[in-house]
Amino acid sequence: LAKTTQPISMDSYEGQEVNITCSHNNIATNDYITWYQQFPSQGPRFIIQGYKTKVTNEVASLFIPADRKSSTLSLPRVSLSDTAVYYCLVGAVMDSNYQLIWGAGTKLIIKP
Amino acid sequence: GAVVSQHPSRVICKSGTSVKIECRSLDFQATTMFWYRQFPKKSLMLMATSNEGSKATYEQGVEKDKFLINHASLTLSTLTVTSAHPEDSSFYICSAEDRGDTEAFFGQGTRLTVV
Repeated sequence: LAKTTQPISMDSYEGQEVNITCSHNNIATNDYITWYQQFPSQGPRFIIQGYKTKVTNEVASLFIPADRKSSTLSLPRVSLSDTAVYYCLVGAVMDSNYQLIWGAGTKLIIKP
Repeated sequence: GAVVSQHPSRVICKSGTSVKIECRSLDFQATTMFWYRQFPKKSLMLMATSNEGSKATYEQGVEKDKFLINHASLTLSTLTVTSAHPEDSSFYICSAEDRGDTEAFFGQGTRLTVV
């Protein structure tokens, strides 16, 4: 059964680095791993996407091990405005059918 | 980045009526659009995938006659909730993929309340 697993919630403090890990078995061979940020009552916002190794953009880094069965979103020097729910999204193949599998989301709370 | 506009952002309707939600890609052509539903404190649930000019592909458990999807052009997809009931109240979100791109851009979402 294709599934993604991520922590339900995390707390951190302003200025700290936050790492959120998502495990994803049965990820499709040629598919990307994508992370989204969602604020209440808004649509998810794209953060970062990667296939393997490490990807970095202006807001985050994404670390993906060689087996691609997990990925870690890294947010450097978080601020209060980073308080949100973070979702990982992967494509998986189940019974020869391709599916998009969302994680349940990690509620990140940043404290002063 | 690319912009996807979803309208309306909020709608309240009476039970038994139908509601149409629009999803537009403003600065790119979207060959594929996705419709999601989000229940409170739950992850997004993919409802259906629509490809321009063809019938939508619905996920298991999603009633295609209740959630009508039309993707008549490369910039517009619509989701119509027919004969809405209070249990259809939810947050509906669309996303669109640019041609040949793997990145999906999301609309702002629509909060539907059926009374």
